[in-house]
This record gives sequence, C-alpha cells and structure tokens, in this order.
Amino acid sequence: AQRVTQPEKLLSVFKGAPVELKCNYSYSGSPELFWYVQYSRQRLQLLLRHISRESIKGFTADLNKGETSFHLKKPFAQEEDSAMYYCALRKAAGNKLTFGGGTRVLVKP
Amino acid sequence: ETGVTQSPTHLIKTRGQQVTLRCSSQSGHNTVSWYQQALGQGPQFIFQYYREEENGRGNFPPRFSGLQFPNYSSELNVNALELDDSALYLCASSEPGGLSTDTQYFGPGTRLTVL
Repeated sequence: AQRVTQPEKLLSVFKGAPVELKCNYSYSGSPELFWYVQYSRQRLQLLLRHISRESIKGFTADLNKGETSFHLKKPFAQEEDSAMYYCALRKAAGNKLTFGGGTRVLVKP
Repeated sequence: ETGVTQSPTHLIKTRGQQVTLRCSSQSGHNTVSWYQQALGQGPQFIFQYYREEENGRGNFPPRFSGLQFPNYSSELNVNALELDDSALYLCASSEPGGLSTDTQYFGPGTRLTVL
C-alpha cells in the first residue's frame, strides 16, 4: 500500500528566506506526485505536479526516486505563501490520491 | 465554468443517525471522488464514482456508501454515525483522460459533527 509522510507539521520562516517542505513516499511502482495548497478560508487546490516539471508561484519540486522524496522548495518565501501544504501520491491517472498529513507554513514579515 | 459545490456547509448529527452529503461536479467532469479529512490530518480517500459506477474504494466500512447521478452530481451516505465520523468531507471532480484534464478540483467541504 502507498504511504506519504510529511515530517514537519509546522514550518516558520522569515520573508525572503528559503523554504523547503519535505515529502517522502512509499510505493513500489511509478507514482505520480503532487503538491496541493490550501490558503486561509479557501479550498484545496493543486499547486504543482511532478510530471509537469514546472515552477508555480516560485515553487519547484523534484521527484527523487532513489530517495523516494518529492520535496517542495522556494528560494525566497513571501508572506502570501503562508498556507497549509499537502503532498499527495497517485498510482494511475484518475485513481485515488493518497495525502500526507500536511505542513503548515508561516512566513513572518 | 462552475466550480465544485457541496451542501450543506455544516451539519450536526447524533450517534446512530444517518446523513447524506451532496456534491455537484465541475461542468464537464464525469468523475467524483470523496475524501474524509479529520482534524489535523490530510484527506483520506473514501471512494470514487465514474459515470455512475463505483471506481475504487478506500478503507472505509460499508456504512459509507455513495451514488452518482446522470448529471454526474454525487451523494455520500453514512449510516449508523459514530463519533469518529466527525470530520470535513471533501468532494473532488475530474475528467480522466490526459495531463490537462485529470486534475482533481476540490469543493469547499461539508463539516460534519457527530455528538
């Protein structure tokens, strides 16, 4: 069975500092990995997916199959990045998402 | 384009009762997935419906059941409510078939409290 682990419940950084959210997964096949974000009083929304290999809002994430990780990074955090972030895994297109427990990011001015 | 909507927003029930939650999928989407999100945890997959048929189920007991209608809207029914069923229930719609169309779009959720 697949599993997603986000070891940090809370990350607090100052504006302009780098931020890295860790995500590790366990799955024997080739997964699709995602990062979802939930801003205050908004619904859960897709931030980025590994297959797109793109940068969204300055965030990037690289799938490391050797270390089974999909860490999310941003070199210069902004106050508007304060939100709840969830890493998620999917086995096949259209199938269920398995989420991690989430990391709350707080960017201080 | 209309987003995913859910009703009701909040609901309070007592143990042993039954509840029905509703979800309207985003226009053009034929797949609906339901998730349970307990306080402080990530969403957990309950089941998925594709063109009115169940298309995958998570580790939830049979008292969690669902329906999808011809217009692709969906219901989640929970019988014999237990205190641990208190959670935020999320609905997500998608249209499987390709990179740009199989993203799951989430609704705002229904907050269920079981007393």
